Amino acid sequence: QQQVKQSPQSLIVQKGGISIINCAYENTAFDYFPWYQQFPGKGPALLIAIRPDVSEKKEGRFTISFNKSAKQFSLHIMDSQPGDSATYFCAASGRGGKLIFGQGTELSVKP
Amino acid sequence: GAVVSQHPSRVICKSGTSVKIECRSLDFQATTMFWYRQFPKKSLMLMATSNEGSKATYEQGVEKDKFLINHASLTLSTLTVTSAHPEDSSFYICSASSLGRTPQETQYFGPGTRLLVL
Repeated sequence: QQQVKQSPQSLIVQKGGISIINCAYENTAFDYFPWYQQFPGKGPALLIAIRPDVSEKKEGRFTISFNKSAKQFSLHIMDSQPGDSATYFCAASGRGGKLIFGQGTELSVKP
Repeated sequence: GAVVSQHPSRVICKSGTSVKIECRSLDFQATTMFWYRQFPKKSLMLMATSNEGSKATYEQGVEKDKFLINHASLTLSTLTVTSAHPEDSSFYICSASSLGRTPQETQYFGPGTRLLVL
């Protein structure tokens, strides 16, 4: 029940294309859903986050879509660039702040 | 703002020795700090949660006597890997949550420490 399942494991997208990464959770007590970007040898950096009271949040080229009834949320990266090539993690947390991470998606954007 | 540092960034030690990793919040006070472990091409696994001035709360399966966590001030937490063995080799990452905000909203991650035990 504490798991967050993320797919795909890896993704190759052409420059300018849309990258889509999906996550699903079971625990209905989760109420905060962030996405992190991690470059090799670095710590993760917060990209964008959403709470269940909204269905979509957009910040620049990054959009989170949230489906509360399906217990799923996704990250869309519009106009993907080679500099976006990194590993992306979804996460979920409830009260207390413990983040449960998804398995990660290795994104490669080809020029 | 909201910068978290870790020291050292990389450490190599001999089997049986102890290694201390520092996590500092540079420009904010952190009431809660989290320690994670990450294996190559794997996700982050929470090891423990520490609150300033109190004992750390360890996740199931994490040996508290092996991974000693101290959170003595609002800007510093330390993780000591005692009697390290090769299987402890990993990437250790801390995160800090700022004072006055809910921990889930304000976890800022450090750059990580690569530990290699020979």
